[in-house]
Amino acid sequence: SAVISQKPSRDICQRGTSLTIQCQVDSQVTMMFWYRQQPGQSLTLIATANQGSEATYESGFVIDKFPISRPNLTFSTLTVSNMSPEDSSIYLCSVDFIGGIDEQFFGPGTRLTVL
Amino acid sequence: GIQVEQSPPDLILQEGANSTLRCNFSDSVNNLQWFHQNPWGQLINLFYIPSGTKQNGRLSATTVATERYSLLYISSSQTTDSGVYFCAVLLTGGGNKLTFGTGTQLKVEL
Repeated sequence: SAVISQKPSRDICQRGTSLTIQCQVDSQVTMMFWYRQQPGQSLTLIATANQGSEATYESGFVIDKFPISRPNLTFSTLTVSNMSPEDSSIYLCSVDFIGGIDEQFFGPGTRLTVL
Repeated sequence: GIQVEQSPPDLILQEGANSTLRCNFSDSVNNLQWFHQNPWGQLINLFYIPSGTKQNGRLSATTVATERYSLLYISSSQTTDSGVYFCAVLLTGGGNKLTFGTGTQLKVEL
């Protein structure tokens, strides 16, 4: 079965800095998504990462705060910019595999703490 | 937007007990998935079940799309079943965006 990896797995950052999270899949996918899970909460979709074009953001999320890249069918990055303690969350990427049903699979997540 | 509510929010079981988790959704959906989030935060796919019933070992799930609910059954629970269980739905006409439920926190004790 396909492997979805994320780097880093966890990080502790200072407020005002930025962190870029990578999501890599070992087979081609149609869709890639980024989710946020705040402590004790459910998952919320941040954006859909579109290959070769700007990401599609959900209400409440903006490109200046969460810039996303997707240069090819197997890789995407999410940057959390100008961080504050409220950005402390688990960030997860998910994918929808080419040729399959619309079932989504998740990476292991990046646990971010902002001091 | 669509509301996805799960019940109960918290559940404590003795090892070996059975349980039923419920997911109610407020609108028509194309797809429903059940996930288990382990204590390390990893989301494990349990079922892809837009309708009908499926079984996988001690777990089974039933979705009645016309009545807008899904059930996850856990039989003979084990301590490794502990974690948070989420259902997530794909809205009809909503593209490929999953909307997650509120979650059920399960703790299985010896």
